[in-house]
Amino acid sequence: DAKTTQPPSMDCAEGRAANLPCNHSTISGNEYVYWYRQIHSQGPQYIIHGLKNNETNEMASLIITEDRKSSTLILPHATLRDTAVYYCIVTLLGGGATNKLIFGTGTLLAVQP
Amino acid sequence: DARVTQTPRHKVTEMGQEVTMRCQPILGHNTVFWYRQTMMQGLELLAYFRNRAPLDDSGMPKDRFSAEMPDATLATLKIQPSEPRDSAVYFCASGLVRLARGEQYFGPGTRLTVT
Repeated sequence: DAKTTQPPSMDCAEGRAANLPCNHSTISGNEYVYWYRQIHSQGPQYIIHGLKNNETNEMASLIITEDRKSSTLILPHATLRDTAVYYCIVTLLGGGATNKLIFGTGTLLAVQP
Repeated sequence: DARVTQTPRHKVTEMGQEVTMRCQPILGHNTVFWYRQTMMQGLELLAYFRNRAPLDDSGMPKDRFSAEMPDATLATLKIQPSEPRDSAVYFCASGLVRLARGEQYFGPGTRLTVT
């Protein structure tokens, strides 16, 4: 079973920031928070991941609460092409870990013109 | 731009036939995953390999599914015999397990329809 809880759907106006929440209250100390998205009819695409510090890359920012029980993915200026299902996944990192991804139902983000 | 490739992209077959799906992981990646996606079950992990050795295939129906990596550039997923309930999109993903990274790169998928 997925270890995360996400709202099933969200709307966002084009050009505005999209803030996607995720609850992972049972996360353990060595588990990371990963975000992937799946645009219709395509394979999932990696967005960002983090352990406890906030992270930013060219696609998005990830804000993780201090107790690590929840996080928020931020798309700073959403475009129509960002319409997709966004998955928040908790998993171990690489090295001796498995990198298994257990996908939940995700959040369908609909960016409106 | 390195990508995971999958063939065929679409496959329609009759119940009872053998189906083989192929995946070419990104060169240099040492972990290959097979996932299946349906409307009812969402994305499910079927099996994965590390350095060509199977690590976990507990998600696969053992009696009809088999996954192999004949070499580092090819992974295969076979269904024999196929059944209508196998209709789904099958995704292959590859990754490189190394410190501070670990994301997976997904292929475009094989859409399988079993009639």
